[in-house]
Amino acid sequence: AQSVSQHNHHVILSEAASLELGCNYSYGGTVNLFWYVQYPGQHLQLLLKYFSGDPLVKGIKGFEAEFIKSKFSFNLRKPSVQWSDTAEYFCAVRSRSGGYNKLIFGAGTRLAVHP
Amino acid sequence: SQTIHQWPATLVQPVGSPLSLECTVEGTSNPNLYWYRQAAGRGLQLLFYSVGIGQISSEVPQNLSASRPQDRQFILSSKKLLLSDSGFYLCAWSKERRADTQYFGPGTRLTVL
Repeated sequence: AQSVSQHNHHVILSEAASLELGCNYSYGGTVNLFWYVQYPGQHLQLLLKYFSGDPLVKGIKGFEAEFIKSKFSFNLRKPSVQWSDTAEYFCAVRSRSGGYNKLIFGAGTRLAVHP
Repeated sequence: SQTIHQWPATLVQPVGSPLSLECTVEGTSNPNLYWYRQAAGRGLQLLFYSVGIGQISSEVPQNLSASRPQDRQFILSSKKLLLSDSGFYLCAWSKERRADTQYFGPGTRLTVL
């Protein structure tokens, strides 16, 4: 079965620091990968996604992620974080099971950015 | 535009009592619908998904059940709640079978005492 592993459960950074959140998945075939974000008090929302093409994907609010097939990774990056990036971040992979598609989520990473 | 509603927002129930959480989607037709439970440090666990009225797939055997009586309505139920059912329940929808982007509702915080 497919699975998603997020290495960091809690990350604390100061504003302007660079961010990289790790995500590894277990699946050898064609993958579709996602990063979702949940800001305090808000709905879970899509940050970016990779389906095919350029392995460097750009999302909202200056985030980007790089798909590295050989490493089964899809790490999330931002060169300079802001206090407003404080949130919980979830990596996910699309899985096909029983003829239907569904998302498998990682455990999440809580990011706290201090001013 | 599409919107997704969940209610109630919070719920405190005694052990052994029944449960009914409701999710409705507006602005789209024939969506895929999902129920997740979010537990601290464990991410989102898919509980049920549905591709149509009356079509429910269960991901994890448990004390809960789901039903889809109408195209845009998804209900999570239990006949007798357990302490371990406490958590944050999220409903989501996606366009038909692609599931490429899932749109999440505001969630229901359930506390079982």
